[in-house]
Amino acid sequence: GAGVSQSPSNKVTEKGKDVELRCDPISGHTALYWYRQSLGQGLEFLIYFQGNSAPDKSGLPSDRFSAERTGGSVSTLTIQRTQQEDSAVYLCASSFQRDTYGYTFGSGTRLTVV
Amino acid sequence: ELKVEQNPLFLSMQEGKNYTIYCNYSTTSDRLYWYRQDPGKSLESLFVLLSNGAVKQEGRLMASLDTKARLSTLHITAAVHDLSATYFCAVVRRGSGGSNYKLTFGKGTLLTVNP
Repeated sequence: GAGVSQSPSNKVTEKGKDVELRCDPISGHTALYWYRQSLGQGLEFLIYFQGNSAPDKSGLPSDRFSAERTGGSVSTLTIQRTQQEDSAVYLCASSFQRDTYGYTFGSGTRLTVV
Repeated sequence: ELKVEQNPLFLSMQEGKNYTIYCNYSTTSDRLYWYRQDPGKSLESLFVLLSNGAVKQEGRLMASLDTKARLSTLHITAAVHDLSATYFCAVVRRGSGGSNYKLTFGKGTLLTVNP
């Protein structure tokens, strides 16, 4: 596609429910990243994929968070048993492996846990 | 751990004035990025600075990089209301095998340009 596509754009869920957030990167971009943006915390790195593997999961805040990527393309970020502190905007970005011109970000999924 | 500090975090300025946003980072890095974010929107890439002494300009914005000082600046010339947004700098941490990947962001500078 022309850009990084994320869905849904907004998600309201009840505390304790599981949610799945989807990211469709730019075609041909082998690297994919998830970030979380929340008030007071700025932009936090969550996980990085190179192809289908995740060499760096160090930013996942707890074992309730997981992510996968299939076919070197679409990625899903899953949050189990959501908590109110999970409320944030989840941003996905993609790039070529050794990109020197930046990373393209999607428009994000705004997650609200009530 | 790579740390990126921006200042100021909040900047209110009048149209026509000049100002500079500063971005300091704590360890050696290959690349520095500046992004713009409008409310409710995603991040828009402004500049990529690849080497010491790099300077890039686009319209009323100019970014520079001093890798020895681990400092980048974003200079705003004759500000206009349309520049109101949050500006982030981000630095790439060197990864193993030369594969740089993870962006570490500053907290952002909320710029408000008043008529």
